[in-house]
Amino acid sequence: GNSVTQMEGPVTLSEEAFLTINCTYTATGYPSLFWYVQYPGEGLQLLLKATKADDKGSNKGFEATYRKETTSFHLEKGSVQVSDSAVYFCALSGTFGAGGTSYGKLTFGQGTILTVHP
Amino acid sequence: GAGVSQSPSNKVTEKGKDVELRCDPISGHTALYWYRQSLGQGLEFLIYFQGNSAPDKSGLPSDRFSAERTGGSVSTLTIQRTQQEDSAVYLCASSPLTGGFAYEQYFGPGTRLTVT
Repeated sequence: GNSVTQMEGPVTLSEEAFLTINCTYTATGYPSLFWYVQYPGEGLQLLLKATKADDKGSNKGFEATYRKETTSFHLEKGSVQVSDSAVYFCALSGTFGAGGTSYGKLTFGQGTILTVHP
Repeated sequence: GAGVSQSPSNKVTEKGKDVELRCDPISGHTALYWYRQSLGQGLEFLIYFQGNSAPDKSGLPSDRFSAERTGGSVSTLTIQRTQQEDSAVYLCASSPLTGGFAYEQYFGPGTRLTVT
């Protein structure tokens, strides 16, 4: 079945530091890949997505590239801010294999807690 | 526009009681999902509804869990004879399922269930 593995946290950084959160996946076919973010006291929000190999998703200074050869979708940001402190979830949905169908069920990684200090 | 709403936001119940959790998806969204977020298990898929198709119940952890979706809109997740291990945040999400690859899901704020 599908699975997502994220780097273990928590991650603690100083403001303006470079951020990488690693994510690798196992899936059949051609899944779509997502990063969701959960800010303190808030619900899950889509941060960015990529739907095919070599696509780069980007939003709010965050980027992630869909690497089929390494089955990875690492999240990066060049300069983090205190307001980026949150829990980040890597996720995949569906597969479109030969004869397969997809309905968008999300499989999540375990989440990475990011804390950014001033 | 209005997002996904869930009620109640918090629910405390005694072990053995039944509970109902409600989800109102974004108007026009045809797909509806329930997930559970708990400390030990992370985010888990529970059940999926799409239009008039039979729901995918493959994520329901036991037969004490059931869900229905009336009129293709509001959904209710019911947990019978609650157990302490049912304590978690129950999340609902909806999606327009436009037919593209990227099934972006919009999440509600969740219902925090505590079984005492």
